[in-house]
Amino acid sequence: DQQVKQNSPSLSVQEGRISILNCDYTNSMFDYFLWYKKYPAEGPTFLISISSIKDKNEDGRFTVFLNKSAKHLSLHIVPSQPGDSAVYFCAASGTGYSTLTFGKGTMLLVSP
Amino acid sequence: DTAVSQTPKYLVTQMGNDKSIKCEQNLGHDTMYWYKQDSKKFLKIMFSYNNKELIINETVPNRFSPKSPDKAHLNLHINSLELGDSAVYFCASSQPIGTGDTDTQYFGPGTRLTVL
Repeated sequence: DQQVKQNSPSLSVQEGRISILNCDYTNSMFDYFLWYKKYPAEGPTFLISISSIKDKNEDGRFTVFLNKSAKHLSLHIVPSQPGDSAVYFCAASGTGYSTLTFGKGTMLLVSP
Repeated sequence: DTAVSQTPKYLVTQMGNDKSIKCEQNLGHDTMYWYKQDSKKFLKIMFSYNNKELIINETVPNRFSPKSPDKAHLNLHINSLELGDSAVYFCASSQPIGTGDTDTQYFGPGTRLTVL
């Protein structure tokens, strides 16, 4: 049973436009959410996180939005750059959980 | 400076062999993890160690045995390798509990294991 779902396996965006990556979760005990970026043949790299006490967190071109009632979060990248092309994993954690539960990832391709 | 390192990066071996993957972190973290990314691309937790003690052991066959000689190292030993063990294995570490940001994990580059 997937507790963290990324329903879009891939997303293509033009350079300069906004990329929106979505993530849904089912476990109401999750209270901390993270986005990781992964290039081929490398490990996932932490990108940005959000606690359930917030509904938005921004870091440069990256913004994560959390809608607790819908159990949905999204990562916005604006403006998108070709170097952003990678697989993006959504992950969740919660009180009493010692580790992260990952989604399956969404491959983002930003074309020039 | 490499934060979380793994060796080897690639490992090709025959069924039935025993192999080890090493992981080291220089971040001063107390907690280390092993994840498996299978052919379906899911990243799944296998083990978690906190300060050299096992705290999570998911339903992993006992052919897999993690060993933590000190809190900066968490090695993964696999006995009697099977075809289904072929995957990418990632090591990760996170901050000591109680120091804030404990849930952010930092990953190594991965070890691609191929069992023939």
